[in-house]
Amino acid sequence: DQQVKQNSPSLSVQEGRISILNCDYTNSMFDYFLWYKKYPAEGPTFLISISSIKDKNEDGRFTVFLNKSAKHLSLHIVPSQPGDSAVYFCAARQVHSGNTPLVFGKGTRLSVIA
Amino acid sequence: DVKVTQSSRYLVKRTGEKVFLECVQDMDHENMFWYRQDPGLGLRLIYFSYDVKMKEKGDIPEGYSVSREKKERFSLILESASTNQTSMYLCASSQVYGYTFGSGTRLTVV
Repeated sequence: DQQVKQNSPSLSVQEGRISILNCDYTNSMFDYFLWYKKYPAEGPTFLISISSIKDKNEDGRFTVFLNKSAKHLSLHIVPSQPGDSAVYFCAARQVHSGNTPLVFGKGTRLSVIA
Repeated sequence: DVKVTQSSRYLVKRTGEKVFLECVQDMDHENMFWYRQDPGLGLRLIYFSYDVKMKEKGDIPEGYSVSREKKERFSLILESASTNQTSMYLCASSQVYGYTFGSGTRLTVV
């Protein structure tokens, strides 16, 4: 059973516009959420995170929103740039329940078109 | 910055060979992980370790084993490589919240 779901395998956005990547989770015990970005032939790199005590976290062009009641988070990239083209993975874990591994979604491939 | 180093970027092995994938981290992290990434399947956890000589099975441990003799080194072993183990293998380490990943090893089994 998939605990973290990214239902859109791909997304195409024009340069300068907003990219919105979505992620849903089923485990209500998750209390920490992260987004990773991955280029081909490289390891994922950390992008932004959010704790369950918050509903928004911002870092430059990247903002993550968390809706706990809907078990949904989203990553907004504004403005989108061609260098943002990559696969984005949503991940979640239970920090306060002990040392549990991150659970990843299947990823969304973002293409930013110039 | 934490650095996680995977010994090989690309490997080609024959079916039935025993394969060792090495991973070393330099920040004294307790926790280390092995994932594989396949198109459409995302990142799937193979094994992880929270301490030296300790290991836990992840979601897809079949056909793999691991070794953690020293804190900084976590090795993934394919006992008898098969073509369905062709994949990108990613090692990660962490202390509390997020992971730092290595650059990955693209393994092809022919």
